[in-house]
This record gives sequence, structure tokens and C-alpha cells, in this order.
Amino acid sequence: DIQMTQSPSTLSASVGDRVTITCRASQVINSWLAWYQQKPGKAPKLLIYKASGLESGVPSRFSGSGSGTEFTLTISSLQPDDFATYYCQEYSSYSQNSFGQGTKLEIK
Amino acid sequence: EVQLVESGGGLVQPGGSLRLSCAVSGFTFSSYWMSWVRQAPGKGLEWVANIKQDGSEKYYVDSVKGRFTISRDNAKNSLYLQMNSLRAEDTAVYYCARLGSGMDVWGQGTTVTVSS
Repeated sequence: DIQMTQSPSTLSASVGDRVTITCRASQVINSWLAWYQQKPGKAPKLLIYKASGLESGVPSRFSGSGSGTEFTLTISSLQPDDFATYYCQEYSSYSQNSFGQGTKLEIK
Repeated sequence: EVQLVESGGGLVQPGGSLRLSCAVSGFTFSSYWMSWVRQAPGKGLEWVANIKQDGSEKYYVDSVKGRFTISRDNAKNSLYLQMNSLRAEDTAVYYCARLGSGMDVWGQGTTVTVSS
């Protein structure tokens, strides 16, 4: 089974900061990686697909990069609406689609 | 409008059964793989199961194999999750999701509580 490891688990930052979240896969998944944003009590929202594809309607301050086993999500200039929990997910096959453990982005 | 609406959650005793439904609208349901994902209270997201467009392939996380069954009715634009032999650790919000490039459409979730 593929294991997804995110870091950090918690991140404190201020409005306007540039932040980066890292996701590591236990085996090569090429670019089959997605990033989601989740706010309390709400369903997750797809931000990035195929490692770097920006989902329609998602602000351009969000970007993704990486391939193979190492991936990053970057928010170029934090906005108040961005404080949430972020998850990566691999979808290299239909037989399993593991999520990372999540990164909670908090206001400093 | 693309929409997924889950139903069927509730309180059930350990060892009991529950059937979740997900009603789909706004897109061609029969063209997509579909998924169930759950989130235990205060915890992260956990993929539960996937089903192919025609129902011919189904996959499950190890912890639910033999107890949960994913199915679909393309004529009714509906996805299901039959949950048997429920355990306390199955307590969670259950989401259905469309599996495009990533899970690009999600329902609002339905809560399952397993407790005596």
C-alpha cells in the first residue's frame, strides 16, 4: 500500500506570507497527486490535480509542483480565507487512494 | 448544477447495519468512477471504496473489506454503501465523491455513529 506523509502537521503563518506544504509518497506515483482544502464542518474542496493542475475557480495564489514521490503545495500570499486544513491524496490507481494526514494552517 | 447528496446516516449499535445513499445530479453519472471517503471525529480523511462506471470493479480499504459493499444504480443516478458488522471505529462523516482527476465533486456528508 502507498503511504502519504505530509509535513508539517501544523503551520502558523500570517496574512501575506508565502507558505509551502510538503507531501511525500512511499512509492513512485508519477504526477497522480491532488491537494484539497477543508474547512471545519465542510466537505473537502479540490485545489490541485495531477500535481500542478489548478482546479477551475481556485485562485492563482495556489500552486502545486513535484513528481515521483515528492510534492509541494504553495500559497504565494496567504489570505484570511486560506486558513484551513490541507490534504494531499494519491490516485495512481483505482485500487486505493490514500490521503496524507493533513496540515492545519493556523493564523500566527 | 453538479450535486451529490448523501443520506442514510444515523445512530446504530455495534454489529448493526446501515445503507448510505448518494443521489447524483448535474452530470452523466454513468461516465465516472465514484468513491466513498470518511472522516472520524477530529481526524483526517480516509478513502473507503471506489467503484467503476459499470460496477464491474470495486476496491476497498483493508479495514472495511468483507463488511462494506459499494454499489451503484446508473438508471437511478445513485451510489450506495452497504455497511454491515459496524464497529465503533466506523463512526465518521461519510462523503461520496466523483473521481475525475482527483475527487472533484463532493457531497455534504452524512454522519454515522456506532454506539450502544
